[in-house]
Amino acid sequence: GENVEQHPSTLSVQEGDSAVIKCTYSDSASNYFPWYKQELGKGPQLIIDIRSNVGEKKDQRIAVTLNKTAKHFSLHITETQPEDSAVYFCAASSPNNAGNMLTFGGGTRLMVKP
Amino acid sequence: GAVVSQHPSWVICKSGTSVKIECRSLDFQATTMFWYRQFPKQSLMLMATSNEGSKATYEQGVEKDKFLINHASLTLSTLTVTSAHPEDSSFYICSARQGWDTIYFGEGSWLTVV
Repeated sequence: GENVEQHPSTLSVQEGDSAVIKCTYSDSASNYFPWYKQELGKGPQLIIDIRSNVGEKKDQRIAVTLNKTAKHFSLHITETQPEDSAVYFCAASSPNNAGNMLTFGGGTRLMVKP
Repeated sequence: GAVVSQHPSWVICKSGTSVKIECRSLDFQATTMFWYRQFPKQSLMLMATSNEGSKATYEQGVEKDKFLINHASLTLSTLTVTSAHPEDSSFYICSARQGWDTIYFGEGSWLTVV
C-alpha cells in the first residue's frame, strides 16, 4: 500500500521567514495530494491541494509543488505569521486505495516565533 | 471549503456505557465518510471507512463490535463506542469525501471515559 513520509517533524522559524515541509510517497499511481493544518484540539483543515496533472499551485502565502518523477511534494509558506503555528499533515490518495482514502504523513509541528 | 460538523465536541462517560458521535456533511452529500482516532502528538489513525447504505470497512485491529458505525444517509455517519473503557479515551475525528477525492474533516470529538 501507499506509504507517505514527512519531514521535518518539527520546524521553528522566525516570523516573516519562509517554511518548507517535504513529503515523499511510494505509490506511483497516487494522483491527489492535499495538505491539512491542525490546530491544537481541532480537526484538520484543508489548506491547499494539488493533483498529479499540475506541478505547482499557489494560494496567497502558501504554495505546493509536486514532482511526480521523484514522488515528492512540498508545502511552502512565505512571510510566516504566529497564527501559522500548527501541525501540518501531508497526504496522498491513490486509486489503488479503497474509497480513495488518504494516507497521511507523520505531521510537522511548525512554530513561528514572533 | 465544504463543512463537516461533528457532535458532540467533547463527552465524558462512565466506564461500561456507550457513547455516540455524529458526523454530518452540511453542504454536500457524502457517500463515503471516514473515522479516525488521534493520540496526542501523533498522526491520524484510520479506524474505518463508512459507506452509505452498506457495512463499514474496518482497519486491521479495530474491533467492529466495539466501534459501531452507521451511515444511514448521504449526510450522516455515526460512531458508537460500546462498553467504553478508559483506554478508549481519545480524540475521534470524522471526515467526508466530496466528489472523487476531496476530503474535509470535522472538528473532532474528545471522549473521556471515567
